[in-house]
Amino acid sequence: NAGVMQNPRHLVRRRGQEARLRCSPMKGHSHVYWYRQLPEEGLKFMVYLQKENIIDESGMPKERFSAEFPKEGPSILRIQQVVRGDSAAYFCASSSRASDTEAFFGQGTRLTVV
Amino acid sequence: DAKTTQPNSMESNEEEPVHLPCNHSTISGTDYIHWYRQLPSQGPEYVIHGLTSNVNNRMASLAIAEDRKSSTLILHRATLRDAAVYYCILSGGSNYKLTFGKGTLLTVNP
Repeated sequence: NAGVMQNPRHLVRRRGQEARLRCSPMKGHSHVYWYRQLPEEGLKFMVYLQKENIIDESGMPKERFSAEFPKEGPSILRIQQVVRGDSAAYFCASSSRASDTEAFFGQGTRLTVV
Repeated sequence: DAKTTQPNSMESNEEEPVHLPCNHSTISGTDYIHWYRQLPSQGPEYVIHGLTSNVNNRMASLAIAEDRKSSTLILHRATLRDAAVYYCILSGGSNYKLTFGKGTLLTVNP
């Protein structure tokens, strides 16, 4: 059973371009969480999705950021018109249920905006 | 979100036990105590979690105080590969988010 797969591992974008980060949860997991880690800082919650539904996006910037978790396929975190401040490691986690169980994290996507 | 308090850093010697403390005085009845760790340049890794009783798994043990206001993660024999930032997190009930604080940076000396 493969773990949480994130791709790409590294992504370089010029200012103003779009970044698409993909996350394939563990098999059988329907709960997906996205976190962002800025350089030398802690992990910050961005969004929680449960198959086709956004449950909580309170940590996601209101503009330029969006997330989806379609019925088929990976979860996508999309950042439009990237700026230098978006440079960070983005981690995805999945779990089989909401709160009283372990979450499994991917290796992250390191986004660099030049 | 209920908060946790951990020391910023701790140091241990290889093959010795390590006790990582966490205070969570505002824990609610439905909160589970979770521990994760993050090795350099990697994603967080689940270590252990529990509700009221002490828990053991292949990685570590979790000792939970009777009043649940504090807990201790125990690594029985530290190895160099255990050097990481360890996070103590409360999650449960309607609180499904893992809210990461600054954690404890564990250094393991050879």
